[in-house]
Amino acid sequence: GDSVTQMEGPVTLSEEAFLTINCTYTATGYPSLFWYVQYPGEGLQLLLKATKADDKGSNKGFEATYRKETTSFHLEKGSVQVSDSAVYFCALDHYTGTASKLTFGTGTRLQVTL
Amino acid sequence: EAGVVQSPRYKIIEKKQPVAFWCNPISGHNTLYWYLQNLGQGPELLIRYENEEAVDDSQLPKDRFSAERLKGVDSTLKIQPAELGDSAVYLCASSLARTGATGELFFGEGSRLTVL
Repeated sequence: GDSVTQMEGPVTLSEEAFLTINCTYTATGYPSLFWYVQYPGEGLQLLLKATKADDKGSNKGFEATYRKETTSFHLEKGSVQVSDSAVYFCALDHYTGTASKLTFGTGTRLQVTL
Repeated sequence: EAGVVQSPRYKIIEKKQPVAFWCNPISGHNTLYWYLQNLGQGPELLIRYENEEAVDDSQLPKDRFSAERLKGVDSTLKIQPAELGDSAVYLCASSLARTGATGELFFGEGSRLTVL
């Protein structure tokens, strides 16, 4: 079945450091890929997405490129801020022709310090 | 625009007691989801509705869990009787996705259940 594997956290960085959170997936066909973020005390919200191979999703300075050859969708940001502290979830959506549902990774907690 | 509203935010019950969670999706969103999130894990789908029809309930433990979405708007998720292992966060989400596709999901803040 479909699955998503994320790097374990927590990830602790100083402000303005470079961020990479690794995500790899297992799925047949061509799933869409997503990064969701959960800020403290809030619900999950979509951060960015990519729907086909080589697509790059971007939002709020975060980027991720859909790499089919390596089945990866790593999240990157060049300079993190304290306000980026949150839990980040990688997810895939595999439409099979009759139904579709998001499959999430376990989440990676990011803590950014001054 | 109001987001997805869930209640209660927190619930503590004794095992074997019943519990119910309520969700009001974003206005106009025809697709509604209930997810289960255990501590340190990602959300797992319990059930998905397209309007009032449950189109995917394969992961819902039907011996103790039930859900309904009357009139294709609000939804209720019930557990009866609750077990210790049901302690988790129950997330509701909605989307405007066309039938058969997921698209972007909008999540509520979740209902945290503790079973003693």
